[in-house]
Parts: sequence; structure tokens; C-alpha cells
Amino acid sequence: AQSVSQHNHHVILSEAASLELGCNYSYGGTVNLFWYVQYPGQHLQLLLKYFSGDPLVKGIKGFEAEFIKSKFSFNLRKPSVQWSDTAEYFCAVRGGNKLTFGTGTQLKVEL
Amino acid sequence: DSGVTQTPKHLITATGQRVTLRCSPRSGDLSVYWYQQSLDQGLQFLIQYYNGEERAKGNILERFSAQQFPDLHSELNLSSLELGDSALYFCASSVDSGAHLGSGTDTQYFGPGTRLTVL
Repeated sequence: AQSVSQHNHHVILSEAASLELGCNYSYGGTVNLFWYVQYPGQHLQLLLKYFSGDPLVKGIKGFEAEFIKSKFSFNLRKPSVQWSDTAEYFCAVRGGNKLTFGTGTQLKVEL
Repeated sequence: DSGVTQTPKHLITATGQRVTLRCSPRSGDLSVYWYQQSLDQGLQFLIQYYNGEERAKGNILERFSAQQFPDLHSELNLSSLELGDSALYFCASSVDSGAHLGSGTDTQYFGPGTRLTVL
């Protein structure tokens, strides 16, 4: 069975601070990896995805993530966060036909 | 706007009742997925349909069922509702079944959700 672990449940940062959200997964086969964002009161939106190729993936709104196969990790990064990045972030792993989500990280960016 | 629509937006009902949630996928998408998001369980995959047929099952209770119609819209039926069924129910769609990982068409696009409150 596949699983996803997000280590940080709540993160509070000041504007312009750098962000890194951890995500580790377990699955024995080929995986697709995703980060989704859920802004307050809105639905899930895709931030970025990794299927194959360059392990450093760039997404929307300045976010990027690095797939490190040896560490089973897919951490999300942003060099300088903005107040508008306040949201919940979900890492997800697709193995086979099933998409498994992590428990999410609540990010609050303070002015 | 992801192109996935869900109705209704909010649903308030009583324990023991039955409700139906509806989802219309993006144009051209053949797969529909249902998820439940609650505070204590997080985001849980329930079930997937591909072109009218059940393709994958997750943590779906026996009281819940789903189907996908010829026009590809899907309905999630929740019966004998309990207080613990109160949650946000999301539908997502993708082009294919996801059987071919890395094809680039496995991305799921989510609808706005239906908030179910069971009193």
C-alpha cells in the first residue's frame, strides 16, 4: 500500500521568507508525484507534478519541487513567500490507479 | 476554474437520510474520482470510474455507492447518513484511467466540492 507523509502540519512565515514543505512517500513501483494547493474556501488546484525526467520541477506561482528517488521525497519550495500563499498544501502520490494524499500543511504567511 | 462542476454546493440533511451528489467532468475526460475531505480523516480517495465502469476503490463505505452515466457525469449516493459523514466531497476528473503512468494525462482536476452537513 502506498502512503504519503507530510511532516509539517502548520507553518507560519513572514512575507519574503523562504519556504520548504517536506513530503515523503512509500510505494514500491513507479510513481507520479503532485503538489496541490487549497486556498481558503476554494477547491484543490494543481501546483506542480512530476512524472519523469528532470527531478526539479517548476510549477505555478514560483513554486518548485525536487524529486529525490533515494530519499522517497518530493519537497516543495519557494524562495520568497507572499501573503497570498496562505493556504493548505497537499502532497500526493499516484501509484497504479490510486491517488493518495498527505494530511496537508497549513501555511500562514504574515505581513 | 478547473472545468469540473459539482452540485449542490451545500447540502444539509438529517441522520438516516440518503443524498445524491453530482459531478460533471471536464470536457473530454473519461475518468471521474470521488474524494472525502474531513477534519479527522484528511483527504481520502473513495472510488474511481472510467468510461462508465468502476476502475478503483478506496476507503468507500458500503453505505456509499457511485455510478458514471453514458454522458460521463457521475453521482455519489450516500445512504443511512451518520453525523460522521459530514465532510467536503470532491470530484475530480482526468483524461484517462491512469493505467499508463507517466503518460502526462494522469493529472486530476478537482471540482469545487459539495459540503455535506448531517444533523
